[in-house]
Amino acid sequence: DIQMTQSPSSLSASVGDRVTITCRASQGISDYLAWYQQKPGKVPKLLIYAASTLQSGVPSRFSGSGSGTDFTLTISSLQPEDVATYYCQAYNSAPQTFGQGTKVEIK
Amino acid sequence: EVQLVESGGGLVQPGGSLRLSCAASGFAFSSYAMSWVRQAPGKGLEWVSAISGSGGSTYSADSVRGRFTISRDNSKNTLDLQMDSLRAEDTALYYCAKKGPNSGSYQPLDYWGQGTLVTVSS
Repeated sequence: DIQMTQSPSSLSASVGDRVTITCRASQGISDYLAWYQQKPGKVPKLLIYAASTLQSGVPSRFSGSGSGTDFTLTISSLQPEDVATYYCQAYNSAPQTFGQGTKVEIK
Repeated sequence: EVQLVESGGGLVQPGGSLRLSCAASGFAFSSYAMSWVRQAPGKGLEWVSAISGSGGSTYSADSVRGRFTISRDNSKNTLDLQMDSLRAEDTALYYCAKKGPNSGSYQPLDYWGQGTLVTVSS
């Protein structure tokens, strides 16, 4: 089974900062990688799929990159409403494993 | 508007059974694969099971294989999860999710329900 490892587990940054979260797959998954945002007490929301395609309605400050085993989610200018836990997911085969999550807070 | 509404959660004793349902609307249900994802209190997301649009193919996590069964009724636009031999570690909020945005293979989860809480405790 594919294992997904995110780093860091948590981070604190200032409003306007550039934030980067990484996700590493234990084996190659091409670009079958999604990023989700889960705000406190809310349902997960799809942000990015196919490693770099922005889901409809998602602000352009979010971007994704990578292929194979190494992927990155970038928030170009952190906003207060971006406080959330972010999860990556490999969806090329079952089990469609999630990473352990990265909690983003405002400094 | 896509809507996914889960039901069937509750308190059950270890070793017991529960059947979760998800009522779907706002999209061509039979054209899309569906999944169940769970989240234990204070923990991360765990993929549980998935089923193809026709219902002919199903997939499950090792942690639930042989105990949980996913199924769908395309005539009623419903997705089910039969949960047997429940354990304390199955306690979680269970989400129904639609695979998309395309109807082909290998899609992420583009819509999620609000979840239904399952508590396994004596």
